[in-house]
Amino acid sequence: DTEVTQTPKHLVMGMTNKKSLKCEQHMGHRAMYWYKQKAKKPPELMFVYSYEKLSINESVPSRFSPECPNSSLLNLHLHALQPEDSALYLCASSHPNKRHTEAFFGQGTRLTVV
Amino acid sequence: DAKTTQPTSMDCAEGRAANLPCNHSTISGNEYVYWYRQIHSQGPQYIIHGLKNNETNEMASLIITEDRKSSTLILPHATLRDTAVYYCIVRDFLLNTGNQFYFGTGTSLTVIP
Repeated sequence: DTEVTQTPKHLVMGMTNKKSLKCEQHMGHRAMYWYKQKAKKPPELMFVYSYEKLSINESVPSRFSPECPNSSLLNLHLHALQPEDSALYLCASSHPNKRHTEAFFGQGTRLTVV
Repeated sequence: DAKTTQPTSMDCAEGRAANLPCNHSTISGNEYVYWYRQIHSQGPQYIIHGLKNNETNEMASLIITEDRKSSTLILPHATLRDTAVYYCIVRDFLLNTGNQFYFGTGTSLTVIP
């Protein structure tokens, strides 16, 4: 199983809502990532978790709150978002301490903030 | 991680080889070259990676120049399904931080029937 599964596929939320994005993998990867991708732009790294601990936060606003409850799951909690936060949110995973290894990406959650 | 430069867009006739160049003149000795592609609205897909030797797999070949300052991804027989944005990424390995990737702007490849 080389899949990274993201749910939901699409999400529409208001600026006062609280919602969560979910990412799951069963490849035994102990590094997981969140990326944000705006239309016609490359993916931008947001957060890195290594062994369930946050290791990199790329200066992401606090209205985005990541959580890694176990080695297979990664959540992104959303609160008080702005319309400009509308984007494709991608999750990825990899081995944190193996050279010669790639990261696997999910298909993303298309988020629209209204 | 070293910066990469790729052409913004390229066309390729279906059935012909697609050669996608990437410049990474500031690459250091420990940095690997990775290629990913992203078909419209899907997640990025790993293609191939290498350090200094040429590499081949079922999807593509990667040719890295001897000085490692540039590389070329070759799709030997392009199909319409190869239409995508192709990202060349150069990165060092950081133990226990993971294999996070920083994406550049990529090359938008269009395969023409």
